[in-house]
Amino acid sequence: AQSVTQLGSHVSVSEGALVLLRCNYSSSVPPYLFWYVQYPNQGLQLLLKYTTGATLVKGINGFEAEFKKSETSFHLTKPSAHMSDAAEYFCAVSDTGNQFYFGTGTSLTVIP
Amino acid sequence: NAGVTQTPKFQVLKTGQSMTLQCAQDMNHEYMSWYRQDPGMGLRLIHYSVGAGITDQGEVPNGYNVSRSTTEDFPLRLLSAAPSQTSVYFCASTHRAENIQYFGAGTRLSVL
Repeated sequence: AQSVTQLGSHVSVSEGALVLLRCNYSSSVPPYLFWYVQYPNQGLQLLLKYTTGATLVKGINGFEAEFKKSETSFHLTKPSAHMSDAAEYFCAVSDTGNQFYFGTGTSLTVIP
Repeated sequence: NAGVTQTPKFQVLKTGQSMTLQCAQDMNHEYMSWYRQDPGMGLRLIHYSVGAGITDQGEVPNGYNVSRSTTEDFPLRLLSAAPSQTSVYFCASTHRAENIQYFGAGTRLSVL
């Protein structure tokens, strides 16, 4: 069975500071891992995904995530936060790509 | 290319009323799913379909029915609405080769 844990339901950072959103997963098979972003009153859109290959994955808007199998983690980072990054972020895991399991989300606030 | 289209965007129901949330995709994706999003609980899978004529239950199926008569459409039916079904509902379709879920903009449902 697959599951996702996102540590910290709310994260606040200053504009220009490092963004770090934490995600740990549980999977009985090699996982596919995803980060999605949700802006207010919108649906979810894909930030980045890991399937196989390079463990450091780059996504849109300057975000990246690193797959660490030994730590079962897939943390999302961005070197410098921008006001437009304020949103809800969801980590998700999938085994075959048919069923996705989402974390409970992390709300990111960017302080000017 | 419209992607995933959900209608209506907002709906208010009285307890006991029935309604259908519509979902259509124009990407020829085989896999479609319905989620509900509640504060602090992330996205929970209600029902999913791996192709026309095939549906299955997700994590929280009670009170909801689905059917998949065509590849494009995947409606979600509430037979007798209850206040516990007040939520935001998202439909998603999956490009299996890309292993990516595409989401609609959501339907905000209130049951009084």
